[in-house]
Amino acid sequence: ETGVTQTPRHLVMGMTNKKSLKCEQHLGHNAMYWYKQSAKKPLELMFVYSLEERVENNSVPSRFSPECPNSSHLFLHLHTLQPEDSALYLCASSQGPGKFEQYFGPGTRLTVT
Amino acid sequence: GDSVTQMEGPVTLSEEAFLTINCTYTATGYPSLFWYVQYPGEGLQLLLKATKADDKGSNKGFEATYRKETTSFHLEKGSVQVSDSAVYFCALRFNKFYFGSGTKLNVKP
Repeated sequence: ETGVTQTPRHLVMGMTNKKSLKCEQHLGHNAMYWYKQSAKKPLELMFVYSLEERVENNSVPSRFSPECPNSSHLFLHLHTLQPEDSALYLCASSQGPGKFEQYFGPGTRLTVT
Repeated sequence: GDSVTQMEGPVTLSEEAFLTINCTYTATGYPSLFWYVQYPGEGLQLLLKATKADDKGSNKGFEATYRKETTSFHLEKGSVQVSDSAVYFCALRFNKFYFGSGTKLNVKP
C-alpha cells in the first residue's frame, strides 16, 4: 500500500455505538491530521498530531477521541455521536505540522442514525 | 483571521469550455496558496501551488496566479474534459492550512 489509507470507507452507526476510524500513512511523515468534511462547508480541521503528540485540538466535542500510537497510525474513536456528526472524515499526513503539503486519504463516510 | 472564500457551485460546463473558479483570501502574512482536487470517492489531491506573489502554479492544463494586489488565486483551464469533473478546493497556508468550502465542477460531453 502507498500513500494514506483509511478504513473503513463507509460506516453506519447508531448514536449509542462505539466505533473507531483508522488511518495509516506509508510516506514516512511525522504529522497526521483529522478533518471533517460536511456538505457545503469548509473543511474543518479537528486534530493535529506531530511526532505522536497532539499539537492542536480545535474545540472538538469529547465524543471524538483521537489516538496516535506511532507516526504511521492515527485513530479516531467515536462514541455517543449525534446525527449532525454524519460527514466524510478525512485523514492527512505531512512531513511536519502546519507548513508542509498535506497528503489525504480517501476518507470514511460516516452516517449516524 | 486567515480565511479563503471560493465561488459556490456547482459549475456546469460543456466539454472544451473555458473554466474559471474564483478564489480570494484574507491573510495576516504572506501565505502560500494551493488548489486541491477531490475526485468522486477519493481524498483531496494537490493540483497546483504558488508560494509568493506573481507566481503561477500549473498542472494538467490548470493554472492559477498568485495576485497579491487583488488577494486572489483564481483557477483556470482553457479546455475542460469530462474527466475534470470533481470538487476543487482553494487553500492557503501560513502557519497552518485553511481550506475553502469547495466548488463542484460538472463537465458534460
